[in-house]
Amino acid sequence: QQQVKQSPQSLIVQKGGISIINCAYENTAFDYFPWYQQFPGKGPALLIAIRPDVSEKKEGRFTISFNKSAKQFSLHIMDSQPGDSATYFCAASDSGAGSYQLTFGKGTKLSVIP
Amino acid sequence: NAGVTQTPKFQVLKTGQSMTLQCAQDMNHNSMYWYRQDPGMGLRLIYYSASEGTTDKGEVPNGYNVSRLNKREFSLRLESAAPSQTSVYFCASERAGGQQETQYFGPGTRLLVL
Repeated sequence: QQQVKQSPQSLIVQKGGISIINCAYENTAFDYFPWYQQFPGKGPALLIAIRPDVSEKKEGRFTISFNKSAKQFSLHIMDSQPGDSATYFCAASDSGAGSYQLTFGKGTKLSVIP
Repeated sequence: NAGVTQTPKFQVLKTGQSMTLQCAQDMNHNSMYWYRQDPGMGLRLIYYSASEGTTDKGEVPNGYNVSRLNKREFSLRLESAAPSQTSVYFCASERAGGQQETQYFGPGTRLLVL
């Protein structure tokens, strides 16, 4: 059972454009939503994370938008650059259950073309 | 600081062979994790160790065993490898698991089971 659905699977964006990746979750107990970035041959690295007490969080060119009622959150990359080409994973966890588990989406491969 | 290190980087096994994947972190983190990454499947948790001396099953534990050797080291063992265990394996650590903090990933071990 996939608890975090991520789309699209792949995305091609022109340099300078906006990249948008969406995730939807089912478990209403989730209360932490990180995004991880993975370059080929490397391990994932935390990019940005949000908790449901805010609807948006921005760090540089990267913004997470969060819609609690729709159970959706998205990553926006403004002014996309070729160096942003990577695979992006959304994830979610539930702190209330004392859970140590992050549930990951299946990933989006982003290609930014010059 | 080396962060999270994994050995070996790449391994080829024959069906039925056994092997141990090693992971070590030098960040004095309490929690450690083993994930597998398969194309189009995202990251799936195999086992985790909330703290030294404890281990728990994740989403896909069948066919694997783990040992938290000490606070720094967390190993993953395949007793009788199967082709379905062909994957990229990532180890991760977290300062205080369950607190929804950053998980730091190693570079991965690429395993091919023939």
